[in-house]
Parts: sequence; structure tokens; C-alpha cells
Amino acid sequence: GQQVQQSPTSLVLQEGENAELQCNFSTSLNSMQWFYQRPGGSLISVFYNPSGTKQSGRLTSTTVIKERRSSLHISSSQITDSGTYLCAMENTEGADRLTFGKGTQLIIQP
Amino acid sequence: NAGVIQTPRHKVTGKGQEATLWCEPISGHSAVFWYRQTIVQGLEFLTYFRNQAPIDDSGMPKERFSAQMPNQSHSTLKIQSTQPQDSAVYLCASSLVPNTLYFGEGSRLIVV
Repeated sequence: GQQVQQSPTSLVLQEGENAELQCNFSTSLNSMQWFYQRPGGSLISVFYNPSGTKQSGRLTSTTVIKERRSSLHISSSQITDSGTYLCAMENTEGADRLTFGKGTQLIIQP
Repeated sequence: NAGVIQTPRHKVTGKGQEATLWCEPISGHSAVFWYRQTIVQGLEFLTYFRNQAPIDDSGMPKERFSAQMPNQSHSTLKIQSTQPQDSAVYLCASSLVPNTLYFGEGSRLIVV
């Protein structure tokens, strides 16, 4: 079964609204990361967040390892935030290897 | 720093033909990863090398797929007798330290 579940699969918001993206893991994990991908583009690491809360500008990531979940919060969303956000985990068996969720497609409208 | 370079960016090949995809990691990075991305399956791990040695190829289809890293500056992913289900974006990533991956822009393979 899918080890990494992301929700929602897509999210359409108006510019200025806040976005909340969720990631749940079915197995124990060592760490997790959030990546951003533009259509046809490469993946860019947004957060490496094995546990706790991290903030970078308008983005905040919270990971609760014991509950096997992580969230990405985007405040005051902008059109340029549009794209796909993927979470990935390093499980306790596969050192260095990441297992990805299928992503949340975020569309910010003017 | 040019980032991870993948070539070709796009490749269309006929069913049964061979396809070779190239990856040039960031200079000095010791690990190189290959992933495959499709709409249905998402991002799937294929294989990775550390210091040019194959470490984990558990994601590679057992037949027709092979990967090599003959030197520090490039890795290749070869698909023999390509099939339509091999159509995907093949992504290469490199890293110097664990958990810090830099991805290339991918090679889009279309098998017709």
C-alpha cells in the first residue's frame, strides 16, 4: 500500500488565503522533507523537517514523528506559490532513500 | 554551479528500441539517485550510487533496466527494449550530505 499519503490532491485558493497541506505516513520514519515542483520543472527542497516546527518566511512545516504526520502551511498565498508540493520520507529501513507522496497540486488564483 | 544536468530533456523512441539517459551530478557530490515520475505512480525510487558504487537498486525493474556510474561526473540509465509503460519523466538527483537532494530537470521519455 501507499506508504505516504498526501491530502488534498489538489487545492484551489484565492490569492491571500492560507493553504494547509497534509502528509501521513504508514510506516515508521527517520525523517521527512517537503519539495516544490513547477510543471515540467525539477524538485526543489522546501523543508527538511525530521521533527517539530520550522518556519521560512510564509511557509511553516510541522512534523510529529510519533503520529507519523507532517503539515505544510502557506500563509497569505501568492500566485507564484502555485505548483505541486510533495512530501517524502526516509523510513527506518532505507537509509538515504526517499519515498514520495503523490503530491498536492496548489493553484492560486488572482 | 550549473546544478544537476540531465540529457536529453526529451526523447521519443519506438517500442523495442533502446534508450539511454544521462546525468551529470553537481561537482563534488558523492551520491547520485535515479527516480521515475508518472502521473499514476508518482515519484518512484529506482537506484542510487555513493562514491560511484551501486548501493541500492531495489526500485529498478529486474529486466531491461540498468544503471551505471563509470566516473564521478556522470551516471547513465539504460532501458533496453523499451515499452510504452516505460514512458515517464526520469529524474536524477545528487547530494553531498544526507537528506539534501538536488534534482535535475528530468528526461521525459515517450515510447510510441
